[in-house]
Amino acid sequence: SSELTQDPAVSVALGQTVRITCQGDSLRSYYASWYQQKPGQAPVLVIYGKNNRPSGIPDRFSGSSSGNTASLTITGAQAEDEADYYCNSRDSSGNHLGVFGGGTKLTVL
Amino acid sequence: QVTLKESGPALVKPTQTLTLTCTFSGFSLSTSGMRVSWIRQPPGKALEWLARIDWDDDKFYSTSLKTRLTISKDTSKNQVVLTMTNMDPVDTATYYCARTMNSGYDWFLDYWGQGTLVTVSS
Repeated sequence: SSELTQDPAVSVALGQTVRITCQGDSLRSYYASWYQQKPGQAPVLVIYGKNNRPSGIPDRFSGSSSGNTASLTITGAQAEDEADYYCNSRDSSGNHLGVFGGGTKLTVL
Repeated sequence: QVTLKESGPALVKPTQTLTLTCTFSGFSLSTSGMRVSWIRQPPGKALEWLARIDWDDDKFYSTSLKTRLTISKDTSKNQVVLTMTNMDPVDTATYYCARTMNSGYDWFLDYWGQGTLVTVSS
């Protein structure tokens, strides 16, 4: 079982704002990173650290954190944002072990 | 330009040992702060973190798979090798390697290979 918990599925109307959440004890101490994965493709990093976007990631993607919950927000969702999203962080023991959330399937209506 | 590519057998038999190689370019694992992780994804399922090796040869393994995994690096060849013993059909998955960087105490996977599908079947 994953130490990071995500909702299995979320939907959003085209152009609206959606928040995808990730819960876990380790998130009280560490920031999550977020990955977008489209069918048949490798994951792509979209957010890391407090709220950093790699080069090439649209500014409609943003990250935040409060308590044991990390959030990925897409402001003005586009059709091409339909994908699976995974959070990742260090495990709750604080060791250098990684853990992924179970993933959230985002549908853009 | 950072690239990574996984290679290894597409099919292994149960109980066999899997050896995967990650060949990368655009960075050196002898540079302070550089790390490479392995991740896998069974068909239709979530990502699972497996192991990581750091520039200083520190190694970290998934708690649940620790006894079966070995990670190593060949800095001169820009390669990281992952071996997994006693393969089982439940280990059927796409295996990815990814460069791992840190931002303070947090780390993230900024470049990924395309992945290689490994099927375990007799």
